[in-house]
Amino acid sequence: AQKITQTQPGMFVQEKEAVTLDCTYDTSDQSYGLFWYKQPSSGEMIFLIYQGSYDEQNATEGRYSLNFQKARKSANLVISASQLGDSAMYFCAMRRSNFNKFYFGSGTKLNVKP
Amino acid sequence: EPEVTQTPSHQVTQMGQEVILRCVPISNHLYFYWYRQILGQKVEFLVSFYNNEISEKSEIFDDQFSVERPDGSNFTLKIRSTKLEDSAMYFCASSEFVGRGGDQPQHFGDGTRLSIL
Repeated sequence: AQKITQTQPGMFVQEKEAVTLDCTYDTSDQSYGLFWYKQPSSGEMIFLIYQGSYDEQNATEGRYSLNFQKARKSANLVISASQLGDSAMYFCAMRRSNFNKFYFGSGTKLNVKP
Repeated sequence: EPEVTQTPSHQVTQMGQEVILRCVPISNHLYFYWYRQILGQKVEFLVSFYNNEISEKSEIFDDQFSVERPDGSNFTLKIRSTKLEDSAMYFCASSEFVGRGGDQPQHFGDGTRLSIL
């Protein structure tokens, strides 16, 4: 069974500092994709970053980077230079190759302190 | 930037009533999805839809649920006889294609908050 685990229900970070949000996954598939979404208090789901299981380099998108460790089955999200607007829930998700559904983790609520 | 739009943003319905949630996916996308998120919980997959038929569904998506693409732009989720436990945020999503490596993000709408009284 596919499973996504986010062990940090809540995190605090000081504005302008970097923060790492943890995500581990469990799958026997060789081909899959890992995604991070941001959900502000207003409720929408915003796609942040993607990492493919065959990608050798860690994905980066602006201030977001994904620390992908395939052997450990982890896909941690790193946010550099945190901003107040980064305060939100963050969800890690996985999609198996050639299947449709996303498996979501339980989320991490990030609070950025001024 | 094109986006997925959902209406209404909030729906209040009496238990036992039928409800239809509407979505307009991104125009060149081929795959459509419904997810739900009960308050404070994780996002759960309900159903995916491609080429005018359901391609995958979860155990949550029982006979009370149905999806339809009535025209070239809308994608709807119908709940026939709502229950209290159907109260949740319902997200529509779409993606361009489903390929090897799972590399297509799903673009989500802003959600419809469904409240069953």
